[in-house]
Amino acid sequence: NAGVTQTPKFRVLKTGQSMTLLCAQDMNHEYMYWYRQDPGMGLRLIHYSVGEGTTAKGEVPDGYNVSRLKKQNFLLGLESAAPSQTSVYFCASSYPSARQSFPSTDTQYFGPGTRLTVL
Amino acid sequence: GNSVTQMEGPVTLSEEAFLTINCTYTATGYPSLFWYVQYPGEGLQLLLKATKADDKGSNKGFEATYRKETTSFHLEKGSVQVSDSAVYFCALSVSGSARQLTFGSGTQLTVLP
Repeated sequence: NAGVTQTPKFRVLKTGQSMTLLCAQDMNHEYMYWYRQDPGMGLRLIHYSVGEGTTAKGEVPDGYNVSRLKKQNFLLGLESAAPSQTSVYFCASSYPSARQSFPSTDTQYFGPGTRLTVL
Repeated sequence: GNSVTQMEGPVTLSEEAFLTINCTYTATGYPSLFWYVQYPGEGLQLLLKATKADDKGSNKGFEATYRKETTSFHLEKGSVQVSDSAVYFCALSVSGSARQLTFGSGTQLTVLP
């Protein structure tokens, strides 16, 4: 199994350009997430999905859109890139416990990251 | 809301030294607690986790105990190695939140030979 993969690994954009980051997982996980990592701030959740065809906003969703057309893929889009979106982006996936009320022990598995620079 | 506060870095130790990285949390509900590790140029990997009070998570010589009374989950290792050099993140998740993780800011550890 490849686990969680991300495409591309690096990208440089000019302000106003658009791009899509692709996340793919081969573990049949229901839940998928997009995070951004900035120096001194840990990881912050952008958007997430609890299943095919569903998406929801996380902590910092502005300027991003997502789609989950297939269970194994989760796309993150930037319609008009801004320098503030310069960051490292991580995708993650997990398989939820059957009992929703059970303490959330599910491990999230992370991809290797995409380093994005917006000039 | 939920938040995680962990020890500021960077931390530099000599090989075989004792390691402690402090982590405290605030949470609505009953969280599960995690330590993730990020090696240079890689994504995050789960190091250990604990799901209820007084549980001890352990892996690769690292340990952390879920202390509800002090809302803490400090990471410890008795004898660090050069290969432990990485960034360590404390995190929590609560039920009913799509298992969203709330991360601390990370602590950079460098172990010198």
